[in-house]
Amino acid sequence: EVQLVESGGGLIQPGGSLRLSCAASGFTVSSNYMSWVRQAPGKGLEWVSVIYSGGSTYYADSVKGRFTISRDNSKNTLYLQMNSLRAEDTAVYYCAREEDGGTDYWGQGTLVTVSS
Amino acid sequence: EIVLTQSPATLSLSPGERATLSCRASQSVSSYLAWYQQKPGQAPRLLIYDASNRATGIPARFSGSGSGTDFTLTISSLEPEDFAVYYCQQRSNWPPGTFGQGTRLEIK
Repeated sequence: EVQLVESGGGLIQPGGSLRLSCAASGFTVSSNYMSWVRQAPGKGLEWVSVIYSGGSTYYADSVKGRFTISRDNSKNTLYLQMNSLRAEDTAVYYCAREEDGGTDYWGQGTLVTVSS
Repeated sequence: EIVLTQSPATLSLSPGERATLSCRASQSVSSYLAWYQQKPGQAPRLLIYDASNRATGIPARFSGSGSGTDFTLTISSLEPEDFAVYYCQQRSNWPPGTFGQGTRLEIK
């Protein structure tokens, strides 16, 4: 059974850093495209970043230069390093597995709150 | 960047009725469009991929159609569990995987 479990969210001050983790089971992270998608409170979905199976990475303009997506193949885990956090980064962050036609598996999400 | 516009923003219907949700793209995405359902406090769930293909385990009452810039998600006969928010996402110019703003399907 495919499972994605995020952790690492919490309350952080503006300008701070946080690293989110997403532990995967039932499939191999490094063999798939893996994304982070976020959702601000009461708002819609916003795609954040993707890492391809080959290792290429892409970011939304809103986070480029501040966020870094990575993975640890030995731990079958996906990460999102978030630096220079802003109030507008406050959201539930989902990790997700990408297939050709859509995002077929999602974690339960972890809440990041950026506030002083 | 491709912009997706969903309509209506809110749709009020009763169980048993037919629901028709629209998603319009600012430029052609061919058939590279997905639909998701999200219930309160839950992660999104993939319903439809490549505009018209149901994802694994999705009931036959859900169907998708369209190509180019205009797409439709149809729920043939609403069940109580179908009341949720629905998002479309373009997969043509991906990444970024832009989403529509969502349509809230509520009980009338």
